[in-house]
Amino acid sequence: GEDVEQSLFLSVREGDSSVINCTYTDSSSTYLYWYKQEPGAGLQLLTYIFSNMDMKQDQRLTVLLNKKDKHLSLRIADTQTGDSAIYFCAERDTGRRALTFGSGTRLQVQP
Amino acid sequence: GAGVSQSPSNKVTEKGKDVELRCDPISGHTALYWYRQSLGQGLEFLIYFQGNSAPDKSGLPSDRFSAERTGGSVSTLTIQRTQQEDSAVYLCASSFPGSENIQYFGAGTRLSVL
Repeated sequence: GEDVEQSLFLSVREGDSSVINCTYTDSSSTYLYWYKQEPGAGLQLLTYIFSNMDMKQDQRLTVLLNKKDKHLSLRIADTQTGDSAIYFCAERDTGRRALTFGSGTRLQVQP
Repeated sequence: GAGVSQSPSNKVTEKGKDVELRCDPISGHTALYWYRQSLGQGLEFLIYFQGNSAPDKSGLPSDRFSAERTGGSVSTLTIQRTQQEDSAVYLCASSFPGSENIQYFGAGTRLSVL
């Protein structure tokens, strides 16, 4: 079945870049997503990428997709304390509407 | 409403009791999903509704779990004879049925079974 894996924790200093990594196993993934979850809140969609793309940039966010290695990353430039949250990688394959999520990466931004 | 609304935000119940969790999707969204987030875990898919089609129940963990979606809008997730392992945050999402399938999430219901 599908599996999505992420590292559990990342700590960076304010102003630095953050890179959160994700690997997935389903070769039929069509879309891959990054969601942000702040304490006590639901998931907020940050960005998504179609599987035939290798990069997508949206303001401070850059998504890189290596389809051959099934590796997805989210780079946050000029990380701010407000970026502290849990970041979830998710994928959807052609056969399903539901998303398969990783366990989330907790980003801690030190002032 | 402007976003996906879930109620209650918190629910504490005793083992063996039944609970109902409610989700009000974004107006006009035809697809509705329930997920479960256990402590420190990612989201686990439970059930998916799309319009008038039969729901995809493939993620329901046992027959104690069921869900309805009345009139193509509000959905209720029912857990019968709750167990301690049912304690989790239950998240609802809705989407348009487009190819990107952008799912918008509610804030969730935190269920604690004592």
